[in-house]
Amino acid sequence: DSGVTQTPKHLITATGQRVTLRCSPRSGDLSVYWYQQSLDQGLQFLIQYYNGEERAKGNILERFSAQQFPDLHSELNLSSLELGDSALYFCASSPQPNSPLHFGNGTRLTVT
Amino acid sequence: QQQVKQSPQSLIVQKGGISIINCAYENTAFDYFPWYQQFPGKGPALLIAIRPDVSEKKEGRFTISFNKSAKQFSLHIMDSQPGDSATYFCAALGQGNLIFGKGTKLSVKP
Repeated sequence: DSGVTQTPKHLITATGQRVTLRCSPRSGDLSVYWYQQSLDQGLQFLIQYYNGEERAKGNILERFSAQQFPDLHSELNLSSLELGDSALYFCASSPQPNSPLHFGNGTRLTVT
Repeated sequence: QQQVKQSPQSLIVQKGGISIINCAYENTAFDYFPWYQQFPGKGPALLIAIRPDVSEKKEGRFTISFNKSAKQFSLHIMDSQPGDSATYFCAALGQGNLIFGKGTKLSVKP
């Protein structure tokens, strides 16, 4: 068990809807990362937060947004969902920005 | 764009054999190179990692070889076991951004 908790484990929703994915980092970790994993694109970096502030941005769509709260948990908001957004979404955490990442077990999003 | 190229895409090895997965990177600013192991339905788990000032790192049956001048690194799994069957990802970290290779699906046949 990595210590990173993600909820929910599974999410099924319709196109055009909005969902929120939640992540609790390992105790003591200040950095939170979000990744999207699909069959054809592998693990794609979306966004990173450090101690509440956005630190790095990857291939995150404008329909997606995230934030890290004062208690260090993070939420990834996905809106105007499309079929192509169906994927596994992983959260990872680390103590500092350039230290090893530890991943949660992901949220499987299915858009119908 | 920062990239990490990984090969092969899939690998079949007999039990007891050596599994070798290769990766190449472009950005010389990368300063940390981890390997992750992922089983179906689970998140990637950190397996072993190396920094560019070291040419080799060994942990049990897993060894990373690193060639800084060629910008290449590889994972060797000695005495491969059926329980090693998983998808392996190499990655490179720099400026807070961890970039993954596309993964290698390893199957170890009994």
